[in-house]
Amino acid sequence: GIQVEQSPPDLILQEGANSTLRCNFSDSVNNLQWFHQNPWGQLINLFYIPSGTKQNGRLSATTVATERYSLLYISSSQTTDSGVYFCAVEKTSGSRLTFGEGTQLTVNP
Amino acid sequence: EAGVAQSPRYKIIEKRQSVAFWCNPISGHATLYWYQQILGQGPKLLIQFQNNGVVDDSQLPKDRFSAERLKGVDSTLKIQPAKLEDSAVYLCASSLQRVSGYTFGSGTRLTVV
Repeated sequence: GIQVEQSPPDLILQEGANSTLRCNFSDSVNNLQWFHQNPWGQLINLFYIPSGTKQNGRLSATTVATERYSLLYISSSQTTDSGVYFCAVEKTSGSRLTFGEGTQLTVNP
Repeated sequence: EAGVAQSPRYKIIEKRQSVAFWCNPISGHATLYWYQQILGQGPKLLIQFQNNGVVDDSQLPKDRFSAERLKGVDSTLKIQPAKLEDSAVYLCASSLQRVSGYTFGSGTRLTVV
């Protein structure tokens, strides 16, 4: 099956800092999503981004499908950004969504 | 639009007991998924429905887990009998493929003691 690798596994920031999270995948994909899992376990969909670049406030994401990676940028981080960030990919439409192991982000005040 | 609804939020049971979880997907989403997330890991697919038919249940431990989706809307996931290693968060998701990706419910946190 398709492999998804995320880096770094852990990241500690001071409030106001910027960060970049990376997701590498082993095969071409039909779908790629970035999720934020909050401390209560809820998976919040941040971006549906099989290719290209999208921005939403302080967050933006870029997927380079031909090179099989995606990046999530967090600017001016806040303590509420803390949690686990997951990248997940779907190889073909209707197949399973395969998750990476996540990046644990801690933003300190 | 309303999100994916799941219940209960928490459940504690003893090993060898049975338990059931319920999911109501977003209206109009034909595809429904159950994922298991063990602490410290990413979610893993248990079963995928398209309307009321099973598309993928290759990772469902069928000796103890079962799931159904009546009338292509609500779904239930059952574990019988539960084992200690079934302690996890069970997440339900639905999707409108090629449009907006997957939307997850809040999950059910199961503890087996």
